[in-house]
Amino acid sequence: AQSVAQPEDQVNVAEGNPLTVKCTYSVSGNPYLFWYVQYPNRGLQFLLKYITGDNLVKGSYGFEAEFNKSQTSFHLKKPSALVSDSALYFCAVRDGGSSNTGKLIFGQGTTLQVKP
Amino acid sequence: DVKVTQSSRYLVKRTGEKVFLECVQDMDHENMFWYRQDPGLGLRLIYFSYDVKMKEKGDIPEGYSVSREKKERFSLILESASTNQTSMYLCASSLNPSGGYGYTFGSGTRLTVV
Repeated sequence: AQSVAQPEDQVNVAEGNPLTVKCTYSVSGNPYLFWYVQYPNRGLQFLLKYITGDNLVKGSYGFEAEFNKSQTSFHLKKPSALVSDSALYFCAVRDGGSSNTGKLIFGQGTTLQVKP
Repeated sequence: DVKVTQSSRYLVKRTGEKVFLECVQDMDHENMFWYRQDPGLGLRLIYFSYDVKMKEKGDIPEGYSVSREKKERFSLILESASTNQTSMYLCASSLNPSGGYGYTFGSGTRLTVV
């Protein structure tokens, strides 16, 4: 069965420091991987995705993610955190078993808290 | 700018009421989805639709139904609202998945059942 795990409920980082939000996945075939961000009382916004190609993917707001096939991971990173990055982050993987729906499976979410 | 619009940001309904949550997208997307989001549980799929008049159950369909009479509109129906359906409801849409497209989400409807 396909699954996504975000092992940390919350990540705390000081402004200006690098941040990492972890994600591991399990799919039967090649994964399509996504990161979304959610600000309070809002819907989810797309940050970046990995479909194929370069393992380092760059996305919105200075975020990037590294696809590691051997470790089945897709960790979200940013070199220098901002207070405005504080939000809830979701990792998602395309369900390879859905032939025509593109159903995404989401992790539980990780709250990122950036302190001044 | 492409959009998924959910008709209400906040709703308060009484136990036993029939509740309609509406979602409209202007991107000509084939696929539409309804999720509920609860603290500590992430996003759970209620129903999805990959074509007009087509629907499939997600992980937690009990107590819900859906309607998709037109491509752009996907409605979630709570047949008889209960307090355990108090939640944030998120609608999303996407193109045909073979291209590896992700979702576009609406802003969400926070439903409180009293």
